[in-house]
Amino acid sequence: GAGVSQSPRYKVAKRGQDVALRCDPISGHVSLFWYQQALGQGPEFLTYFQNEAQLDKSGLPSDRFFAERPEGSVSTLKIQRTQQEDSAVYLCASSFGGRGTEAFFGQGTRLTVV
Amino acid sequence: KNEVEQSPQNLTAQEGEFITINCSYSVGISALHWLQQHPGGGIVSLFMLSSGKKKHGRLIATINIQEKHSSLHITASHPRDSAVYICAVRVRSGGGADGLTFGKGTHLIIQP
Repeated sequence: GAGVSQSPRYKVAKRGQDVALRCDPISGHVSLFWYQQALGQGPEFLTYFQNEAQLDKSGLPSDRFFAERPEGSVSTLKIQRTQQEDSAVYLCASSFGGRGTEAFFGQGTRLTVV
Repeated sequence: KNEVEQSPQNLTAQEGEFITINCSYSVGISALHWLQQHPGGGIVSLFMLSSGKKKHGRLIATINIQEKHSSLHITASHPRDSAVYICAVRVRSGGGADGLTFGKGTHLIIQP
């Protein structure tokens, strides 16, 4: 597709369950970002990849959160042993270059932990 | 204090009105983005600017680097403009996140 694609669009998980969220960036985009957006708040940075290298993971809230981009294209954000506070929209964005280049966002995955 | 502050938080206006949304930031930036988020959650990038003014259709974005302030204007507003408008900045330098710092958004409702 032409844009950033995320799946699933909606996910309901029972507390303690592991989840995996997928991001398919625009082809050829070097940079990939994950953001977490709580209800009524702006998105907050989680992690950043340049190709397959995870250059910054300072925003990941706990060691239950893990992201990978093994071949420098598709990325997966995994959350282990989900908690209710993990409920949020998870947004993925990609850009052709690094800093200063325009980011294109996916539709997001709305995660609800019950 | 947030690094990016938007005002107003909520705005309801009548169709046809001229809309202004403001964004102030407290850090040195290399670029500022205006984003539009519809209820489904997806975000569309409206503008990326580092100086001056940009126009696209009924949307106008301005930035004053010295005053660390940007505005998004919507002329002849329409109900389909109803969305959350988010200001985001790319911090100029230093360590930390290589991404965007976001404001909390302005929830705009345009009534017919």
